Amino acid sequence: DAGVTQSPTHLIKTRGQQVTLRCSPKSGHDTVSWYQQALGQGPQFIFQYYEEEERQRGNFPDRFSGHQFPNYSSELNVNALLLGDSALYLCASSLAPRNTEAFFGQGTRLTVV
Amino acid sequence: AQSVTQLGSHVSVSEGALVLLRCNYSSSVPPYLFWYVQYPNQGLQLLLKYTSAATLVKGINGFEAEFKKSETSFHLTKPSAHMSDAAEYFCAVTRAGNQFYFGTGTSLTVIP
Repeated sequence: DAGVTQSPTHLIKTRGQQVTLRCSPKSGHDTVSWYQQALGQGPQFIFQYYEEEERQRGNFPDRFSGHQFPNYSSELNVNALLLGDSALYLCASSLAPRNTEAFFGQGTRLTVV
Repeated sequence: AQSVTQLGSHVSVSEGALVLLRCNYSSSVPPYLFWYVQYPNQGLQLLLKYTSAATLVKGINGFEAEFKKSETSFHLTKPSAHMSDAAEYFCAVTRAGNQFYFGTGTSLTVIP
């Protein structure tokens, strides 16, 4: 059983560019959440997708957007990249409606230069 | 509102010694509580979780945690530290169906 898979593992982008990160949830899970983990910090919630809709959103600007596909996989898009967007981006999958256990992927390390 | 506070950003123990990592939570409703471990350049691995069943929760790799409502605490312990336990540990809280709120993490160093 494959767990949560994320791609790519590492990415370097230039300020102002746009980036797309991808996540495939654990088999049987239908909910995907995205977190940003800055260096030395705990993960911060960006948003959660269920039934192809954004259900919850954390305190992140509109530059951060997402999508969920019918097969439950998800994308995170970040526009107009800033240096401060450099972080580890973690995808977590869970099973609605309770979502009481989240399984995390290995993350995508985004560096903005 | 929900939040967790992890006391001590860095903890060092000798190999074979007791590991104690502290977590206090704030929640207006009965919470679900978790401990995750993160090794360098990796994602988060679930150690254990409390979901309103037994207050003493046993997890993987010999870790356990006790939910104490009166103290709003969920401290993580392991009787005997191993070198492989060196990692970053995160406490997290959530309510059913909602986002996870993480602490700022505790870096555990195990001294041989």
